[in-house]
Amino acid sequence: NAGVTQTPKFQVLKTGQSMTLQCAQDMNHEYMSWYRQDPGMGLRLIHYSVGAGITDQGEVPNGYNVSRSTTEDFPLRLLSAAPSQTSVYFCASSQSNRDYEQYFGPGTRLTVT
Amino acid sequence: EDQVTQSPEALRLQEGESSSLNCSYTVSGLRGLFWYRQDPGKGPEFLFTLYSAGEEKEKERLKATLTKKESFLHITAPKPEDSATYLCAAPAGGYQKVTFGTGTKLQVIP
Repeated sequence: NAGVTQTPKFQVLKTGQSMTLQCAQDMNHEYMSWYRQDPGMGLRLIHYSVGAGITDQGEVPNGYNVSRSTTEDFPLRLLSAAPSQTSVYFCASSQSNRDYEQYFGPGTRLTVT
Repeated sequence: EDQVTQSPEALRLQEGESSSLNCSYTVSGLRGLFWYRQDPGKGPEFLFTLYSAGEEKEKERLKATLTKKESFLHITAPKPEDSATYLCAAPAGGYQKVTFGTGTKLQVIP
């Protein structure tokens, strides 16, 4: 099993550009989430999904869109990049069981200039 | 407002010097308290879930405990490979809406 994979690993965007961060998992997990991690602020939840076709907003959803057409994939779209979106983005997945153990991907480091 | 607060922000220990990391939470209807380890440049790695006050879990040199207001991660006789950032988290406002603390960066010196 590859676990949770994310692409790209690094990305530089100019203000106003759009892009999609890819996330895939091969563990047949129902739950998937996107976080951003900034120095001094910890991990903050952007969007999450409890199954194919079902998504919901987290703590910091503005400027981001998600969709979940399959169990395996959960892409994160930046609509119009802003310097405030410079961050490290992590995707995570978990089974819908009591432990809520989340498996995290390796992250995407995004810089918006 | 649901909050998870960790202290200290950073901790430097000599190899073999035991200590504890603290996680205090103000989450209504606590559904679990999680501990993760994060190495530089990597995603967090799950360590433990605790559900009720008095519960304890162990893994190698780590032991996590939970009270009604806080959790502790005790590190016994740490080794340099235990150096990492330790994150505490709790589901707030829904099982998948997880709130993370800002972490404790642990450095263990040989």
